[in-house]
Amino acid sequence: DQQVKQNSPSLSVQEGRISILNCDYTNSMFDYFLWYKKYPAEGPTFLISISSIKDKNEDGRFTVFLNKSAKHLSLHIVPSQPGDSAVYFCAASAKSGSEKLVFGKGTKLTVNP
Amino acid sequence: NAGVTQTPKFRVLKTGQSMTLLCAQDMNHEYMYWYRQDPGMGLRLIHYSVGEGTTAKGEVPDGYNVSRLKKQNFLLGLESAAPSQTSVYFCASSYSGPQGTEAFFGQGTRLTVV
Repeated sequence: DQQVKQNSPSLSVQEGRISILNCDYTNSMFDYFLWYKKYPAEGPTFLISISSIKDKNEDGRFTVFLNKSAKHLSLHIVPSQPGDSAVYFCAASAKSGSEKLVFGKGTKLTVNP
Repeated sequence: NAGVTQTPKFRVLKTGQSMTLLCAQDMNHEYMYWYRQDPGMGLRLIHYSVGEGTTAKGEVPDGYNVSRLKKQNFLLGLESAAPSQTSVYFCASSYSGPQGTEAFFGQGTRLTVV
């Protein structure tokens, strides 16, 4: 039973346009959400996070939106750059049992020049 | 800045063999984790540790053991390797739990069991 779902295995966008990566979760106890980026042959690196007390967090070109009622979050990248091409993982944790971070399957983003 | 270092980076094992994967971090982090990544499966937590001398089971602990004798090291052991353990293994560490600070990942160990 997948608690964090990234239903799009891949996404392709043109350079300069917006990339929107989506993530759904089923566990209502999750109250902290993160996005990690992974390049081939490297470990994941932290990108941005959001607490459930917020509905938006912005860091430069990256913005994460959280819709608690829909149990949905999204990562917006504007403008997209070829260097953003990577696999993006959505992850979530709950305050109870907060040592555990549950990851989605990832979405491979390709930004075409 | 070394960060999180995993040893070895690649390994091929025969079924039934044993091996230990070493993870070392130089950031004085309390929390350490072992994940495995399989195609189409994302990252799944094997075991984790919230401090020196402590370990706990994650999502997929069967067939693995861990030890955290020193704060900076987290060892993952396979006592009798099976083909189902063919995967890419990632170690990570964080100052506090996922709700506090980001986790830093190592570069991964690609293990093939034949």
